Parts: sequence; structure tokens; C-alpha cells
Amino acid sequence: RKEVEQDPGPFNVPEGATVAFNCTYSNSASQSFFWYRQDCRKEPKLLMSVYSSGNEDGRFTAQLNRASQYISLLIRDSKLSDSATYLCVVISNTGGFKTIFGAGTRLFVKA
Amino acid sequence: DTAVSQTPKYLVTQMGNDKSIKCEQNLGHDTMYWYKQDSKKFLKIMFSYNNKELIINETVPNRFSPKSPDKAHLNLHINSLELGDSAVYFCASSQEGQGYSGELFFGEGSRLTVL
Repeated sequence: RKEVEQDPGPFNVPEGATVAFNCTYSNSASQSFFWYRQDCRKEPKLLMSVYSSGNEDGRFTAQLNRASQYISLLIRDSKLSDSATYLCVVISNTGGFKTIFGAGTRLFVKA
Repeated sequence: DTAVSQTPKYLVTQMGNDKSIKCEQNLGHDTMYWYKQDSKKFLKIMFSYNNKELIINETVPNRFSPKSPDKAHLNLHINSLELGDSAVYFCASSQEGQGYSGELFFGEGSRLTVL
């Protein structure tokens, strides 16, 4: 089983749609969780952190369920500019600080 | 003013050659990394250095040798290049420890093509 698993997609949605991405992680001792965004031929950049209490930033909402070892990202009112790959990232500190990236979920938002 | 800069951005070379990629960060971070992103877009950690000391070496062939002359620099040297080494190599840095989120800051990537 991969340490961090995501549905690779692609997700093809029209502008204005709501889309949700899921991610699961295998290490129950994982400490920190993030969503990164990577545009085509660019470097990954932090989108938002993920907390058990939920984290909302404008149209983006991230949620962590520690019991199920599950992370989600919800994008409301999708824009063309949201088209990118969304990477689920988990940090654990068992045997050293380690950052693990999921394979990413590709999103295409169409007019 | 680029926080994490790596050079060169593009590198095209023949099999069997030796090449280097350089990385510098001006964020004052203690930890630097090399990641490899292959054609399937999977981002995989190769090495991690903390204050010039190797922390993580993820089953990378011996042909890959990182060097950290100081905590602001982490270079990657690759010997005897193979076709499978073709990928985008990303340098990144972070500040770990109490009170820090562990956010990674990436360079723009170095696209290596081995012919």
C-alpha cells in the first residue's frame, strides 16, 4: 500500500462546479497535512494546511479525519484558473522528519 | 528575489555523461531536499539534508551524489547518466521543528533529458 494515495483523475468539470478530492495515508503517526497545487511545468506550491477542525480559504475547504486517515479538499465555484494538479502531502516524524507526496489529482475546469 | 533557485533549468545530454544541478536557498532554512518527478508526474524524495548533514537517502543509485557545502546550498551530481534519469529534478527547502509548519518551498525545477 502506498503511504499517500490519491485518485489520479483527471477530473473534468465545468466552470462553477463543486469538486472534491480525497486522499488517504497509511501512517497513523503522521503529524501534518497539506494540499499543494502544481501547475503544468511548474513547481508545487502550498495551497493550504489541513486540520481536524477544518480549514477554509475562500472557495477552498480542507478537512482531516484522523480516525479514518483521510484528507479531503473541496473546491466550490470552480474557475478556469483552478486547472492544475492537486497534491496531498503528509509529514511524519517516525524515524526522522519525512514529507510524503501523493501522486496528485489532475483537475481540468472547462468553460 | 527567488527564494529557492536551481540551475540549470534545462539540461540535455548523452547517456554516460556526468552532470550537476545546483541549488541555493535564501530563506535561512535548515533543511534542503532533492525530489525527482518522472514522466508519470509522481514526485519522489531522493535526499534530504539538515544543516549540511544527510538525513534521508531514499534508495537512490550511487551514481547520484548530493553535496551540501553549507546549509544554503545543496547540489546534485549525477554520474554515468542513463535514459531513466530523464525527469524534472526539484530542489526544496523547509524549516522544521517546533512552531514551524514544515511547508516546502520549491525551486522551479531542472528538466533533465538523457538521449
